[in-house]
Amino acid sequence: GNSVTQMEGPVTLSEEAFLTINCTYTATGYPSLFWYVQYPGEGLQLLLKATKADDKGSNKGFEATYRKETTSFHLEKGSVQVSDSAVYFCALTGSSASKIIFGSGTRLSIRP
Amino acid sequence: GAVVSQHPSRVICKSGTSVKIECRSLDFQATTMFWYRQFPKQSLMLMATSNEGSKATYEQGVEKDKFLINHASLTLSTLTVTSAHPEDSSFYICSARYPGLAGVQEQYFGPGTRLTVT
Repeated sequence: GNSVTQMEGPVTLSEEAFLTINCTYTATGYPSLFWYVQYPGEGLQLLLKATKADDKGSNKGFEATYRKETTSFHLEKGSVQVSDSAVYFCALTGSSASKIIFGSGTRLSIRP
Repeated sequence: GAVVSQHPSRVICKSGTSVKIECRSLDFQATTMFWYRQFPKQSLMLMATSNEGSKATYEQGVEKDKFLINHASLTLSTLTVTSAHPEDSSFYICSARYPGLAGVQEQYFGPGTRLTVT
């Protein structure tokens, strides 16, 4: 079945550092890929998405590229801020299913 | 656009009582909504899929008689936790499927409801 694997946290970085959170997936067909962010005490917010191979999703300085050859959708940001501290979830929906399959989440903490 | 609200944001109830949580899509119609449960520092667990005008589809291991779901309109789904027990204490999050482009499955999430059963 479909699944998502993302790097375990917590990840702690200094402000302005470069961020990468790895995410790989297993799916049949052509899934859509997502990154969601959850700030403390809140629900999930869609951060970015990509719906086909080689698409790049971007938002708020974050980027992720849909790599079908490596089945990956790594999240990157060139210079993180304290306000980026949150839990990040990689997710996919299959080509025919409506369920979202979430990764386990990666907690990110940014030091001033 | 694509805003989903939940009410209440926090609720404390006594063991044995029932509590209802509402999920509303504010600016779009959602034929399908989803209910998730999230334990501390863990990912979201899908509990059930709520379809407007029909019975909800529950995931394996979720008690349908305990977690009653009603999707009475295209903008409202409710989750009622019946005869709540302390182990039902959790963060409950709903989402609504946005009627986007064909083939693109996208959900927008509510802010969550923190349920504490004493």
